[in-house]
Amino acid sequence: GAGVSQTPSNKVTEKGKYVELRCDPISGHTALYWYRQSLGQGPEFLIYFQGTGAADDSGLPNDRFFAVRPEGSVSTLKIQRTERGDSAVYLCASSLIAGVYNEQFFGPGTRLTVL
Amino acid sequence: GENVEQHPSTLSVQEGDSAVIKCTYSDSASNYFPWYKQELGKRPQLIIDIRSNVGEKKDQRIAVTLNKTAKHFSLHITETQPEDSAVYFCAASTGRRDDKIIFGKGTRLHILP
Repeated sequence: GAGVSQTPSNKVTEKGKYVELRCDPISGHTALYWYRQSLGQGPEFLIYFQGTGAADDSGLPNDRFFAVRPEGSVSTLKIQRTERGDSAVYLCASSLIAGVYNEQFFGPGTRLTVL
Repeated sequence: GENVEQHPSTLSVQEGDSAVIKCTYSDSASNYFPWYKQELGKRPQLIIDIRSNVGEKKDQRIAVTLNKTAKHFSLHITETQPEDSAVYFCAASTGRRDDKIIFGKGTRLHILP
């Protein structure tokens, strides 16, 4: 595809459930970033991958959050035992290589609602 | 860690007038400052960025200024148009390969007809 895509666009779940959010980066982009955007806030860094490995996961709020990128392309953000406070838009971005001087292209986001 | 403050949270200007959004940062090692525009329901998009080796950068109606001594930077939009209505985010980073971008909370800009 021409840009970063994310699925699903919307996800409604119940407290305590498990969810997976998917990100397809731009083809050829080796760096992939996950952000969380709460209402009225800027994107908050969660984790980034350079290739298959998580280069920095310091933004993950707790051990209920986990992300993988097994083949260095598609990434999945996994949230266990969801809580109402997890409700937010989860944004994915990719760049050609890691390093903030390389423009990050954002996906449309997945709006997660935990009831 | 880095902390980015952004003001104002909401800004309304008449079409054709100028808009200014200001940000401050805390980490003196930061040297890369991008600005993103996010239209309602859409993804953030980079509109301009500045590195610390310059004090000002301009791209058509948009300009950014940087004052490293005071640790603040600003976005200036001249001759505003309806399509400028959006949320604007400033951000800061050291620019190192292993560093992350820290975003401000955003400014919702309304262009009034």
